[in-house]
Amino acid sequence: EPEVTQTPSHQVTQMGQEVILRCVPISNHLYFYWYRQILGQKVEFLVSFYNNEISEKSEIFDDQFSVERPDGSNFTLKIRSTKLEDSAMYFCASSAQLGSFEKLFFGSGTQLSVL
Amino acid sequence: AQSVTQLDSHVSVSEGTPVLLRCNYSSSYSPSLFWYVQHPNKGLQLLLKYTSAATLVKGINGFEAEFKKSETSFHLTKPSAHMSDAAEYFCVVGYSGAGSYQLTFGKGTKLSVIP
Repeated sequence: EPEVTQTPSHQVTQMGQEVILRCVPISNHLYFYWYRQILGQKVEFLVSFYNNEISEKSEIFDDQFSVERPDGSNFTLKIRSTKLEDSAMYFCASSAQLGSFEKLFFGSGTQLSVL
Repeated sequence: AQSVTQLDSHVSVSEGTPVLLRCNYSSSYSPSLFWYVQHPNKGLQLLLKYTSAATLVKGINGFEAEFKKSETSFHLTKPSAHMSDAAEYFCVVGYSGAGSYQLTFGKGTKLSVIP
């Protein structure tokens, strides 16, 4: 079965540093998403991306965050200057079509720890 | 606006006994409802979905859920727990708008299965 791959599985960084979380979506997918889950809290929507631009973002996704699809295969989430409260599990997801939730595939997540 | 409440953060059952994971939702729209499962170090996997067809929905691995509009509930059940069912389960309400999905997750219920 096709998979969404996220690397690294765990990243530790110092407060104020930049981090890039990487995702390789399923190859024929067109829609890409980032979600995050702070420990003990709900999984929250961050951003959706289609046709090389952001199609929707939540209030969490402020100027410290950016997304990119640099080479047609990777989909990255950059946090410019990390804060302690950015510590969370970050999930990438992709889908081939809009409006069909069962076709949405999630990766296994990157656990980000900001010290 | 939409929200999801999972009533139990942790459920423990003996192998071979029934499983009940409770979920209540609220949604301004006709909801699409889902249950996702996450096994350790794995991605979020779709178990089953409700999208306004049959109110009793069957999913993978013997799980099913019943949509009860009058109770705004979508509880997940399985007649007989297996050790491999031990995982975290998320109840999710979905909304498909212009350009993206919005999935609102519950906090999750950790299911432990005792041999």
